[in-house]
Amino acid sequence: AQKITQTQPGMFVQEKEAVTLDCTYDTSDPSYGLFWYKQPSSGEMIFLIYQGSYDQQNATEGRYSLNFQKARKSANLVISASQLGDSAMYFCAMREAYGGSQGNLIFGKGTKLSVKP
Amino acid sequence: NAGVTQTPKFRVLKTGQSMTLLCAQDMNHEYMYWYRQDPGMGLRLIHYSVGEGTTAKGEVPDGYNVSRLKKQNFLLGLESAAPSQTSVYFCASSYARLGRGYEQYFGPGTRLTVT
Repeated sequence: AQKITQTQPGMFVQEKEAVTLDCTYDTSDPSYGLFWYKQPSSGEMIFLIYQGSYDQQNATEGRYSLNFQKARKSANLVISASQLGDSAMYFCAMREAYGGSQGNLIFGKGTKLSVKP
Repeated sequence: NAGVTQTPKFRVLKTGQSMTLLCAQDMNHEYMYWYRQDPGMGLRLIHYSVGEGTTAKGEVPDGYNVSRLKKQNFLLGLESAAPSQTSVYFCASSYARLGRGYEQYFGPGTRLTVT
């Protein structure tokens, strides 16, 4: 079974609107972390936001926020006020503290976001 | 502070040739990783290291070897390249950062083509 599932291969959003990128995860580990990375067309991987499984509040970093619903095992990325520079691939990833992944990051297959002017 | 650097940026190999990809980090991170990225597959872990002199297999280790003789360097070797190893290779490093988990810092990637 996939540990990280991103069900949206591609999405479009109008500039200045908000967009939500979906991510669901599968783990039985009580301690884990969830990450979002951005990969623009230039290829580099850029860290966006992190949520720990014990964090009480949803993480926010500028225009990025993580909608963490622990019971549903979802960690959706919300981008507010989209900009043309937000067009990129977005990857959700998980790190389990004790699980079979030996503490390493497990990545989803990504969502390609296109921002329309 | 260069972060994570990778050498080379591009390479074309013929089937059966060997090569070594070099990853260097100047952040004194304990953990280092090698990933491959293929279209539609996300990033998959090849090998990783939790400290100088130690390495371990990831999800897709076959056909690759690694070494970490110095803390700042992590080498990925292909002994006999195959077309299936055509991919973009990323190196990353990490440490336990308060409030950021084990955030990984990535290099710019190496695009390898095996013909």
